[in-house]
Amino acid sequence: NAGVMQNPRHLVRRRGQEARLRCSPMKGHSHVYWYRQLPEEGLKFMVYLQKENIIDESGMPKERFSAEFPKEGPSILRIQQVVRGDSAAYFCASSPRQGPEQYFGPGTRLTVT
Amino acid sequence: GEDVEQSLFLSVREGDSSVINCTYTDSSSTYLYWYKQEPGAGLQLLTYIFSNMDMKQDQRLTVLLNKKDKHLSLRIADTQTGDSAIYFCAEDTGGGNKLTFGTGTQLKVEL
Repeated sequence: NAGVMQNPRHLVRRRGQEARLRCSPMKGHSHVYWYRQLPEEGLKFMVYLQKENIIDESGMPKERFSAEFPKEGPSILRIQQVVRGDSAAYFCASSPRQGPEQYFGPGTRLTVT
Repeated sequence: GEDVEQSLFLSVREGDSSVINCTYTDSSSTYLYWYKQEPGAGLQLLTYIFSNMDMKQDQRLTVLLNKKDKHLSLRIADTQTGDSAIYFCAEDTGGGNKLTFGTGTQLKVEL
């Protein structure tokens, strides 16, 4: 059973470009969570999605950030008009139901130049 | 508010026990977790404990929970060099839908 997959693993974008991060949950998991880890910090919750629904986006910045988890395909975290402060590691986690176990992917490390 | 605190560093000798401590603030958390992160990697779920339990043991790992003081600890017996990593404690908030993480404790195991 493959784990949580994220791609790309590393992404470099220039200021003003768009970044699209993908997450494929573990087989049988229908709940996806996105977290951001800034350098030297712990992870901060961004958004919780189920198939075709955003359940909790209390950690998402109000502008430029969006997330989706379509009926088919991976979950996408989209960052428009990236700025240097968006440079971070973005982790996706999945679970088969509401808690308690969240399994994390390897992360996408975004660098904005 | 939500805040999870951990000490930043811990250094132990190989073969000794390591104890990593954590304090949390949300008394309504149902589960508390320990994750391990190696350099450049994602987070590996080590163990978790239900909030009505005091202790959970899993091979070399022992988790102690003091709910009254909101204190969580992870003991690693017979620490090995492969245990060198950053250890994060986390609590579930918002009904279990999101995890609030501590800043992580960097464990260094010396020969």
